[in-house]
Amino acid sequence: GAGVSQSPRYKVAKRGQDVALRCDPISGHVSLFWYQQALGQGPEFLTYFQNEAQLDKSGLPSDRFFAERPEGSVSTLKIQRTQQEDSAVYLCASSLNGQDTDTQYFGPGTRLTVL
Amino acid sequence: AQRVTQPEKLLSVFKGAPVELKCNYSYSGSPELFWYVQYSRQRLQLLLRHISRESIKGFTADLNKGETSFHLKKPFAQEEDSAMYYCALSGVYNFNKFYFGSGTKLNVKP
Repeated sequence: GAGVSQSPRYKVAKRGQDVALRCDPISGHVSLFWYQQALGQGPEFLTYFQNEAQLDKSGLPSDRFFAERPEGSVSTLKIQRTQQEDSAVYLCASSLNGQDTDTQYFGPGTRLTVL
Repeated sequence: AQRVTQPEKLLSVFKGAPVELKCNYSYSGSPELFWYVQYSRQRLQLLLRHISRESIKGFTADLNKGETSFHLKKPFAQEEDSAMYYCALSGVYNFNKFYFGSGTKLNVKP
């Protein structure tokens, strides 16, 4: 079946612009995660949803970052007034039930470049 | 503070040689440890987790709580093992928040 998909795959923004990144999880997956991966680094946790509830947003770096999952499926990560330090690959992952034995399935990522 | 350290950015070995990718962690609780792999032009995917005590593609990893390590080992490296490897941890009671290391690129030479 289809895996996690993300769009756009690449996004170039001018500093100060707002961007919206989309994640389509695997159908039926309850849990959804967002990560930020800077060049040469591992993924860093941003936020986690269980269905439509955002249960952990402790990794969001500033109040310019906002994530939502209003119907418990598709999620959008929004970055307002983008800065150069926001340049990174943004990864989305989903898992079936959010249980400790679940596997997270990752999307291909959106590469954001802020000029 | 929670931290995962992978001291080697790049590890090059010849085909058939043993390989060990190092991972050390610090965590104020009971950790769950994982290895993720990203092959060229593919997505990040789970390779193995310590709780399963399984061997995947000939790789094994043992959790050493005394040394706070979770090194990934394979006795005979294959060219198709060339990839980026990330060590990661979550908490037994907060298993939805993952911490990743910065990754080690394994290059297996023919």
